[in-house]
Amino acid sequence: AQTVTQSQPEMSVQEAETVTLSCTYDTSESDYYLFWYKQPPSRQMILVIRQEAYKQQNATENRFSVNFQKAAKSFSLKISDSQLGDAAMYFCAYPRSYQLTFGKGTKLSVIP
Amino acid sequence: KAGVTQTPRYLIKTRGQQVTLSCSPISGHRSVSWYQQTPGQGLQFLFEYFSETQRNKGNFPGRFSGRQFSNSRSEMNVSTLELGDSALYLCASSAEQGRKGEKLFFGSGTQLSVL
Repeated sequence: AQTVTQSQPEMSVQEAETVTLSCTYDTSESDYYLFWYKQPPSRQMILVIRQEAYKQQNATENRFSVNFQKAAKSFSLKISDSQLGDAAMYFCAYPRSYQLTFGKGTKLSVIP
Repeated sequence: KAGVTQTPRYLIKTRGQQVTLSCSPISGHRSVSWYQQTPGQGLQFLFEYFSETQRNKGNFPGRFSGRQFSNSRSEMNVSTLELGDSALYLCASSAEQGRKGEKLFFGSGTQLSVL
């Protein structure tokens, strides 16, 4: 069974600084995708970034990038130049069989 | 394009009652899935519909059911409500069902409180 683990329940970052959120996963597949979702206080889950496992290059979306280590089954999210609007819950997710398996989430606070 | 719309946003019910939640997917999207979010269990998959057919179901009791209409709108129903059913129920839509890496787009959820 696929499992997704986020070991940091809460993190904080100073505005304009960089923060990295950790995620590890377990799978027996070789071809798969991974996602990071953001859930602000509005409760809507917003897709932040997607990584394809067969691509060696780490995905990047503006200030968001990932460090994907396939052999270690690690998928961390780096947020650069943190902004107040980045404060939210962040979930790592693994899609399979028409469903997403989510980690427990990391609550990110941004300090002005 | 309008996003995924869920109604109502908040709902208060008492134990033993039943409830129906509604989800309108993004226009053109044919797959709708439902998730339950609680502080204790996190996000858990309920079920997924494509072209009015349930294609996958999570590990929830039969009190949880759903359906999808020909316009892709979906409803989920919970009968004989229990206190533990209090949760945020999230709906997500995608354009195709089953394509690997398909992006899911979520609504803002329905917050259900069972008293």
